[in-house]
Amino acid sequence: AQRVTQPEKLLSVFKGAPVELKCNYSYSGSPELFWYVQYSRQRLQLLLRHISRESIKGFTADLNKGETSFHLKKPFAQEEDSAMYYCASRRGYNKLIFGAGTRLAVHP
Amino acid sequence: GAVVSQHPSWVICKSGTSVKIECRSLDFQATTMFWYRQFPKQSLMLMATSNEGSKATYEQGVEKDKFLINHASLTLSTLTVTSAHPEDSSFYICSAVPEKGTEAFFGQGTRLTVV
Repeated sequence: AQRVTQPEKLLSVFKGAPVELKCNYSYSGSPELFWYVQYSRQRLQLLLRHISRESIKGFTADLNKGETSFHLKKPFAQEEDSAMYYCASRRGYNKLIFGAGTRLAVHP
Repeated sequence: GAVVSQHPSWVICKSGTSVKIECRSLDFQATTMFWYRQFPKQSLMLMATSNEGSKATYEQGVEKDKFLINHASLTLSTLTVTSAHPEDSSFYICSAVPEKGTEAFFGQGTRLTVV
């Protein structure tokens, strides 16, 4: 079965510190992986996807097939980055399977 | 960007009654919509795939007679929680993918409380 694991429920850092939100997946085929973010009192929104190899709001994520990981990274965290982050993989036609989520708290 | 709207945003109902939640894509058409359930401080769990003009596809363990899904048009899917019980209290979220797109857009969610 396709699974997405986010081992950390909470990640607490100070402003300016580097951030790495961990995500591991288990999937027998070629995975499509995403990071979604949910800011306080807002709806879930796409942050980035692995096929785009893009950087959004300073965040990047690289697919490591050897380690079956798709960790989300940002070199210098900002207070406005505080939010809930979900790693997700796509199964079938646009079915998204979500990890448990990691709450990022960036302190001043 | 594309907007998905859910209605109502929150609802309180009595045990044994049914409640309907609407999911609308406001500025695009979606042949497929998805319904998720989110328990407090937990992740989103996919409940079912709503297909326009055909029956919904339910995930394993989700009771189709309990959670009725109707995708009547390319912009509207409804989830009806039938004979609601307190354990059905949860946050229900829908998402929709534009017909020729790949990105899923999410509604703001509906908080259901059954008393």
